[in-house]
Amino acid sequence: GQQVMQIPQYQHVQEGEDFTTYCNSSTTLSNIQWYKQRPGGHPVFLIQLVKSGEVKKQKRLTFQFGEAKKNSSLHITATQTTDVGTYFCAGRLLGNFNKFYFGSGTKLNVKP
Amino acid sequence: GAVVSQHPSWVICKSGTSVKIECRSLDFQATTMFWYRQFPKQSLMLMATSNEGSKATYEQGVEKDKFLINHASLTLSTLTVTSAHPEDSSFYICSARRDRGPTGEQFFGPGTRLTVL
Repeated sequence: GQQVMQIPQYQHVQEGEDFTTYCNSSTTLSNIQWYKQRPGGHPVFLIQLVKSGEVKKQKRLTFQFGEAKKNSSLHITATQTTDVGTYFCAGRLLGNFNKFYFGSGTKLNVKP
Repeated sequence: GAVVSQHPSWVICKSGTSVKIECRSLDFQATTMFWYRQFPKQSLMLMATSNEGSKATYEQGVEKDKFLINHASLTLSTLTVTSAHPEDSSFYICSARRDRGPTGEQFFGPGTRLTVL
């Protein structure tokens, strides 16, 4: 079964508030990817993290990969209505070439 | 670049019939293609990994005789749901990787909504 867990399942925020979703794996990951899926759409790649402790930023989005490479987070600063959607992490297990396992996703709703 | 198409986008079929879904990488050669299933408001469940010219690798619990995968070329993979039943109704999404290395991103198709009556 799937081995990557994600919390929270839902998050409702007021526009301008911050948002964070967390991804955890029971085993060490080789690398982790983050995707965004808009309602009715398909997942779109956001970023990939490979190194232990890595932090990457994309405008208002900050992605972190834990030191032990078992957890990751996505933080959005000052959310906007355009941030609405479901955010998924996808982790590749060590030694498991090619396959990524998706977290359960966090659905973000932003109220204007 | 890196566009993946799926056909059909939606299909309704009777119980007991078979349905074929195509996944194509339009502007790149896909080293690997993946098939996922997504239930409403849920995550993507990996069904199988497909490499061109070799047999697909199925995830635990996925019946390979029911979900036939053929990866005929570097740009085309097909998923056939055989003898479909209402419980097979779902959103099926394929993705393709362009890079041979282990860290390449996946490019997703738009998905196929299957409804089995």
